[in-house]
Amino acid sequence: GAVVSQHPSWVICKSGTSVKIECRSLDFQATTMFWYRQFPKQSLMLMATSNEGSKATYEQGVEKDKFLINHASLTLSTLTVTSAHPEDSSFYICSAFRTLGPDTQYFGPGTRLTVL
Amino acid sequence: GDSVTQMEGPVTLSEEAFLTINCTYTATGYPSLFWYVQYPGEGLQLLLKATKADDKGSNKGFEATYRKETTSFHLEKGSVQVSDSAVYFCALRIGGGADGLTFGKGTHLIIQP
Repeated sequence: GAVVSQHPSWVICKSGTSVKIECRSLDFQATTMFWYRQFPKQSLMLMATSNEGSKATYEQGVEKDKFLINHASLTLSTLTVTSAHPEDSSFYICSAFRTLGPDTQYFGPGTRLTVL
Repeated sequence: GDSVTQMEGPVTLSEEAFLTINCTYTATGYPSLFWYVQYPGEGLQLLLKATKADDKGSNKGFEATYRKETTSFHLEKGSVQVSDSAVYFCALRIGGGADGLTFGKGTHLIIQP
């Protein structure tokens, strides 16, 4: 149990376009989901925390107008990279905090974004 | 700010060797500490955790002890297997489960038969 999926697993897009990444908790409800970004050979950096039905909380230095986060249901959060540029190319990972259960975050497998 | 430092990889060991992956942290508060493991093509999985000083987390033969005096949480295993090959991340969290994690850069472990 406690499976988190991400879609797509990889995406290539042109500079200036927008890309949406989905994060789903498949077998549990998650009031809180997190979005992380990972550069090659670097640690995962927390971008934002999203709570179902409310606005996301962004970490310092993360542009909320560029990285739009929506957490419309207890099983789905989306990250939209707007007007993507090559410097947005990265590995994006989500995690979900189970509403009822162990004090643990469950991670998705990640999405590789390449902006040309 | 909060940060986690762990040894750079890759770490290459022979099967049945003893493993230590060092992890130290700096934190503004009193953190909970975690080790996550990532197998190829999969998401990070919680390996073990400790929430207060001197606690020992353990799972699948891996152990780590929360050392407040040295701000460390080193991962150890007495006899590694090829199946332990993965990337290991040390992380800390200030607050409860609904708070984000601060990760180290990850250590790629390679176990050779």
